[in-house]
Amino acid sequence: DTAVSQTPKYLVTQMGNDKSIKCEQNLGHDTMYWYKQDSKKFLKIMFSYNNKELIINETVPNRFSPKSPDKAHLNLHINSLELGDSAVYFCASSQKAWVTGELFFGEGSRLTVL
Amino acid sequence: GDSVTQMEGPVTLSEEAFLTINCTYTATGYPSLFWYVQYPGEGLQLLLKATKADDKGSNKGFEATYRKETTSFHLEKGSVQVSDSAVYFCALSDRTNAGKSTFGDGTTLTVKP
Repeated sequence: DTAVSQTPKYLVTQMGNDKSIKCEQNLGHDTMYWYKQDSKKFLKIMFSYNNKELIINETVPNRFSPKSPDKAHLNLHINSLELGDSAVYFCASSQKAWVTGELFFGEGSRLTVL
Repeated sequence: GDSVTQMEGPVTLSEEAFLTINCTYTATGYPSLFWYVQYPGEGLQLLLKATKADDKGSNKGFEATYRKETTSFHLEKGSVQVSDSAVYFCALSDRTNAGKSTFGDGTTLTVKP
């Protein structure tokens, strides 16, 4: 029973298209995140939601729009895809915001923009 | 702002060699410190953590001690195995920054038989 699951695992698409990635956690955590990992393995936070409320919004193009329908789900929609969006996107969760807890990661969604 | 600096890779060792991956941090508050490991094709998973100064985290033969005076959290293992080949990330979580985790750039370790 996977704790943090994200779909799809792989996306291959053309420039200019729109795509979505979905994430679900069954840990009962309050806080969820999207991270981007580039080809050099650098990991950068994009967004964080706590109980459906956006609490962290790093400098990310507004083509990226997160949505949290409930605290167990966090989706990421990307409009007008560009070559530079190619990366692995990780969803993660933690028990609560404003406490120093560990992150639980999904397996990642590898996006390739052609 | 918060930052984490870790030893650049890649690191290549022979099986049973001693491993050290250096990590230093800058934080405004009193962070918790973590080491995460990412095996090929997988997400990151927690390897060990320490929540206050002088705490030692340990797991699977890996150890790291929270040193506030040197703002460091170096990862060590006495005898590495081929199965330890992975990317290792040092990270901190700062309560004063919405609990946000800040990661180092990762260090790729390859262990050869």
